[in-house]
Amino acid sequence: GQNIDQPTEMTATEGAIVQINCTYQTSGFNGLFWYQQHAGEAPTFLSYNVLDGLEEKGRFSSFLSRSKGYSYLLLKELQMKDSASYLCAVRDVESGAGSYQLTFGKGTKLSVIP
Amino acid sequence: DGGITQSPKYLFRKEGQNVTLSCEQNLNHDAMYWYRQDPGQGLRLIYYSQIVNDFQKGDIAEGYSVSREKKESFPLTVTSAQKNPTAFYLCASSMYGEDEQFFGPGTRLTVL
Repeated sequence: GQNIDQPTEMTATEGAIVQINCTYQTSGFNGLFWYQQHAGEAPTFLSYNVLDGLEEKGRFSSFLSRSKGYSYLLLKELQMKDSASYLCAVRDVESGAGSYQLTFGKGTKLSVIP
Repeated sequence: DGGITQSPKYLFRKEGQNVTLSCEQNLNHDAMYWYRQDPGQGLRLIYYSQIVNDFQKGDIAEGYSVSREKKESFPLTVTSAQKNPTAFYLCASSMYGEDEQFFGPGTRLTVL
């Protein structure tokens, strides 16, 4: 099976930088995704990492270390609208559904305060 | 505009009744998925389909059934055999099953 861990909740100040960590254990790693989900809404795609290193996309960046089973999502210049849950998801080609299955962590609820 | 639609957004049913949730996409995606989300839990895969007329069970398929008669449509039936059906149900689709998954707006099902 797979195990994906992320902090349950985080709080940060508007304008600041916040880093949300995700650790995973999987046998057939084939990519890690970050999604943003506002309360009661659908998750929306933020980033995808399959190779080690940093992927930058505007105010959001995502980092991956496959050897450590570790990823983080970095949010810069925080805005109130960034208050949401952030979901880490891993694709494991050795899972029952192979490349078609994503296994999601429980999500990190980020609260941005003035 | 391309996208995924789910209807209705809120659904109430009495215990013991079957209920079907709709999911339609016009993104020309091959793969479609059904997830369930409970408070404090990650998304869990119920069923997925790679092509028309083919689908496979995910991690929590018991008490659910699906069909894939058209590429655009992947309805989910929550049967009376599902012991705890109250949840937020999300449908998703992707191209070839390799790329990012795009999610519909979700249906919140409450069984009374």
